[in-house]
Amino acid sequence: AQRVTQPEKLLSVFKGAPVELKCNYSYSGSPELFWYVQYSRQRLQLLLRHISRESIKGFTADLNKGETSFHLKKPFAQEEDSAMYYCALGLDDKIIFGKGTRLHILP
Amino acid sequence: KAGVTQTPRYLIKTRGQQVTLSCSPISGHRSVSWYQQTPGQGLQFLFEYFSETQRNKGNFPGRFSGRQFSNSRSEMNVSTLELGDSALYLCASSLGGGGSTEAFFGQGTRLTVV
Repeated sequence: AQRVTQPEKLLSVFKGAPVELKCNYSYSGSPELFWYVQYSRQRLQLLLRHISRESIKGFTADLNKGETSFHLKKPFAQEEDSAMYYCALGLDDKIIFGKGTRLHILP
Repeated sequence: KAGVTQTPRYLIKTRGQQVTLSCSPISGHRSVSWYQQTPGQGLQFLFEYFSETQRNKGNFPGRFSGRQFSNSRSEMNVSTLELGDSALYLCASSLGGGGSTEAFFGQGTRLTVV
């Protein structure tokens, strides 16, 4: 069955330190993967998608098909990065989300 | 371009009642999905509609139902409400039809069952 796993419910990182939010997926086909972010009191919004291979707000994510991972990384955390992050797997007719990781940036 | 609009934003209902939530997708989007968001379970998929047909359904009881109209607007209904149904209900729209599954979310309807 298709599944997205985010092993950390909460990740606390000091400002200026590197960030890595882990995401693993189970899917036998060619995946379409996304990272969504939800800032406090804002709607869930797309952060980045693997096919665009772009960097948004300093975040990048590389698809590793061998390890079935799509970890989200940022070299230097900023306080405004504090939010809830969801990894998602896009299929033909639905999107499967992980349970999310709350990123807390410490001053 | 207007985003995904959900109404109402907040609802308070009592146990046993039923409720209908509404979602207007982005113009041109034909796929509408519904999710339940709770602190403990995160985002759980309810169902997805495309061209007025339910294409996929999550693991929720039959009390949860939905429909989609010809203009792609969608409604979700929950009957015989239980305390555990209290949650933020999110609607997301996407192009559908084999294109990108990138989803655009509404701000949600916060349902409180008392």
